[in-house]
Amino acid sequence: QKEVEQNSGPLSVPEGAIASLNCTYSDRGSQSFFWYRQYSGKSPELIMSIYSNGDKEDGRFTAQLNKASQYVSLLIRDSQPSDSATYLCAVSLSGNTPLVFGKGTRLSVIA
Amino acid sequence: KAGVTQTPRYLIKTRGQQVTLSCSPISGHRSVSWYQQTPGQGLQFLFEYFSETQRNKGNFPGRFSGRQFSNSRSEMNVSTLELGDSALYLCASSLPRGEETQYFGPGTRLLVL
Repeated sequence: QKEVEQNSGPLSVPEGAIASLNCTYSDRGSQSFFWYRQYSGKSPELIMSIYSNGDKEDGRFTAQLNKASQYVSLLIRDSQPSDSATYLCAVSLSGNTPLVFGKGTRLSVIA
Repeated sequence: KAGVTQTPRYLIKTRGQQVTLSCSPISGHRSVSWYQQTPGQGLQFLFEYFSETQRNKGNFPGRFSGRQFSNSRSEMNVSTLELGDSALYLCASSLPRGEETQYFGPGTRLLVL
């Protein structure tokens, strides 16, 4: 059973702080990793994808992948109240296998 | 470029009825995946269609079925609805084989009474 685990939260951070979201996965053969953001009542939207060990930065967002530890994280710098949402981690073995989603971490950025 | 569209956006049905949901992918996308999202279970994969063929299937009963047309539009059908089928049904599309990034539609919220 392929599993993706996330702390459900809520994770509360003050405005301007760094939010750190974590995700672990069970299938060591996983190759592709994604972070989606989902606002309440809306559908998930892609924030980042990462395929290789290390860090990948895109604006205020940094994804970090450690395949040896089966761990992927998302850092949000200079957090804003508009970042308050549920963040979903998704993992797949390859381009032809389904995404497996974690249940998400609810982030609350306090102004 | 237009995003993924889903119809209808909201639906109320009663137990025992059946329902058909529709999804139009982003132009050029040939892979369509369907997910069920509930507060308790999160996002769960239903099935994926690519070039009119079901490529992957999740762990759902046979009451859940789908198909894809030659223009890549997809439909999913749920027969003999149960109260537990109340959920947000999301469709996601992606480019052909080798490109995994999926883009989600707005979803269809189904309430079964």
